[in-house]
Amino acid sequence: SAVISQKPSRDICQRGTSLTIQCQVDSQVTMMFWYRQQPGQSLTLIATANQGSEATYESGFVIDKFPISRPNLTFSTLTVSNMSPEDSSIYLCSVEDGPGTEAFFGQGTRLTVV
Amino acid sequence: AQSVTQPDIHITVSEGASLELRCNYSYGATPYLFWYVQSPGQGLQLLLKYFSGDTLVQGIKGFEAEFKRSQSSFNLRKPSVHWSDAAEYFCASRYNQGGKLIFGQGTELSVKP
Repeated sequence: SAVISQKPSRDICQRGTSLTIQCQVDSQVTMMFWYRQQPGQSLTLIATANQGSEATYESGFVIDKFPISRPNLTFSTLTVSNMSPEDSSIYLCSVEDGPGTEAFFGQGTRLTVV
Repeated sequence: AQSVTQPDIHITVSEGASLELRCNYSYGATPYLFWYVQSPGQGLQLLLKYFSGDTLVQGIKGFEAEFKRSQSSFNLRKPSVHWSDAAEYFCASRYNQGGKLIFGQGTELSVKP
């Protein structure tokens, strides 16, 4: 199984600012994903981070708000831009070794926007 | 659209008692099914998965789940709950090999002494 490190683990940010979350995997993986978990809610997929090309966003999420980078097969970043209190959530990085395999998750980044 | 339903938002069981967490999926064919656990302040850990074959699957920490096609269910069970099992449990599915992973709403498990 892959070991995933996410940074920061938590942060408190002022509204209107941006936060970049890093996800580092200990091995090369085909697929990386970013999820949002709003307070008391389940996980919602934000986007698939594609290595060497633009991320693929789910309905309701846009690149201007959640720009994603994936420079190589072990690393990705998610930026939450122009934050508002509604962005307060846990953001989780996930990886899969290939289509249909189980997903592994980082510990998440707990973001509070004040 | 594909969906996963966990009917119980919160369950409380006594330590040592048996546990069953319910999960129903909407897709007609046999999906890929998973159970994850999320302890407070932690990410998600995979408990078990079902792709095909034997409908009773064993997982980590003494958990098992049974796939029942006739009921579109994949309920998670444990014969004797420990206090450390208190956590949030998520059922998830994907309807084909490359499909998106869809999560249920989660069931919060509390364990009383």
